[in-house]
Amino acid sequence: QKEVEQNSGPLSVPEGAIASLNCTYSDRGSQSFFWYRQYSGKSPELIMSIYSNGDKEDGRFTAQLNKASQYVSLLIRDSQPSDSATYLCAVNIRNAGNMLTFGGGTRLMVKP
Amino acid sequence: GAGVSQSPSNKVTEKGKDVELRCDPISGHTALYWYRQSLGQGLEFLIYFQGNSAPDKSGLPSDRFSAERTGGSVSTLTIQRTQQEDSAVYLCASSLRHSAIYEQYFGPGTRLTVT
Repeated sequence: QKEVEQNSGPLSVPEGAIASLNCTYSDRGSQSFFWYRQYSGKSPELIMSIYSNGDKEDGRFTAQLNKASQYVSLLIRDSQPSDSATYLCAVNIRNAGNMLTFGGGTRLMVKP
Repeated sequence: GAGVSQSPSNKVTEKGKDVELRCDPISGHTALYWYRQSLGQGLEFLIYFQGNSAPDKSGLPSDRFSAERTGGSVSTLTIQRTQQEDSAVYLCASSLRHSAIYEQYFGPGTRLTVT
């Protein structure tokens, strides 16, 4: 079992819809969770961080964390074609020296 | 303010040559990380530096890889006797401190191609 798992996609949504990206992790002691967006040929760009159970909203983005279920998600409201990218989930794995461990990423395609 | 910078942006080298990749972190960030990203391997941790502490080298794939950080700022990742499997994008990130709660910010990366 991988430490951080994401569906590789592609996830295709129409413009204006809500895109829901999911991530599961194996270490119950993980404390912090991050979502990065990566456009093709570019480096990862941090878009959200979340540390506590519940929802955290920032503009069109909402991160949701459920530590009991070891599940973190990212919702993108009013999806735009410019949101088309690969979204990487990163988890601070406690038993890995507090390193960030990345999932394989979910490719999102927003169709006009 | 300025973000993380890396140089060169692209490097093509012949198998067996040594290469040096440079990273300049965000000013004031004491933690610096090197990752690499290759097709099929995703983003994998290589090494990190926190202030003046000894680096954590646990992610380095072989003894051909080494890194140093001078004066607590700029870091250089050196790959000796490059192999074709070293071809990847090498990413540097920095954070305020090495801790679970601090966010890491990535530089633009260096694309290394070993021919």
